[in-house]
Amino acid sequence: GNSVTQMEGPVTLSEEAFLTINCTYTATGYPSLFWYVQYPGEGLQLLLKATKADDKGSNKGFEATYRKETTSFHLEKGSVQVSDSAVYFCALSEYFGNEKLTFGTGTRLTIIP
Amino acid sequence: ETGVTQTPRHLVMGMTNKKSLKCEQHLGHNAMYWYKQSAKKPLELMFVYNFKEQTENNSVPSRFSPECPNSSHLFLHLHTLQPEDSALYLCASSQVVSGGNTDTQYFGPGTRLTVL
Repeated sequence: GNSVTQMEGPVTLSEEAFLTINCTYTATGYPSLFWYVQYPGEGLQLLLKATKADDKGSNKGFEATYRKETTSFHLEKGSVQVSDSAVYFCALSEYFGNEKLTFGTGTRLTIIP
Repeated sequence: ETGVTQTPRHLVMGMTNKKSLKCEQHLGHNAMYWYKQSAKKPLELMFVYNFKEQTENNSVPSRFSPECPNSSHLFLHLHTLQPEDSALYLCASSQVVSGGNTDTQYFGPGTRLTVL
């Protein structure tokens, strides 16, 4: 079956530090890959996505590249801000008539001033 | 994101109570979902509705009963729950596109449920 593994948190960084959150996946076909973000007290918001190998998703300074050869979709940001503090979820979907999202366990990120 | 709303935001109930969670989407989507988010576990898909028809029941116990009266509203009826059912319940919606596939899912803020 499908699965997503992301680095365990929590992750604590200083403002303006470089961020990497690792994500690897297992899938039987050719999935689409997503990063969702959950700010305190809110639901999940789509941060970025990539639908095929070598695609790069980007949004709000965050980037992730779909690497089929390493089955990875690592999230990066060059300079984090306090407002980036949230829980980040890596997910994949394969099309079986409906978009069944498979999520990782989430990584809590805290940015300190 | 206010496209998907959920009420109540917090709910405390006893094991013998009956309560309902409500989800409403204002995005014109035609697929809706219930997820369960427990601490230190991945989000678990519970139910999927596609054009008001249930297309997925992910082995959810019968004490959870979904209802989808139209494409904009989704309910989760709860009865005789257990303390381990305490979690954040998230609703999501998406648009069915060609070939029966669906586009990106948009989530509501969730209902924090505590079962005593």
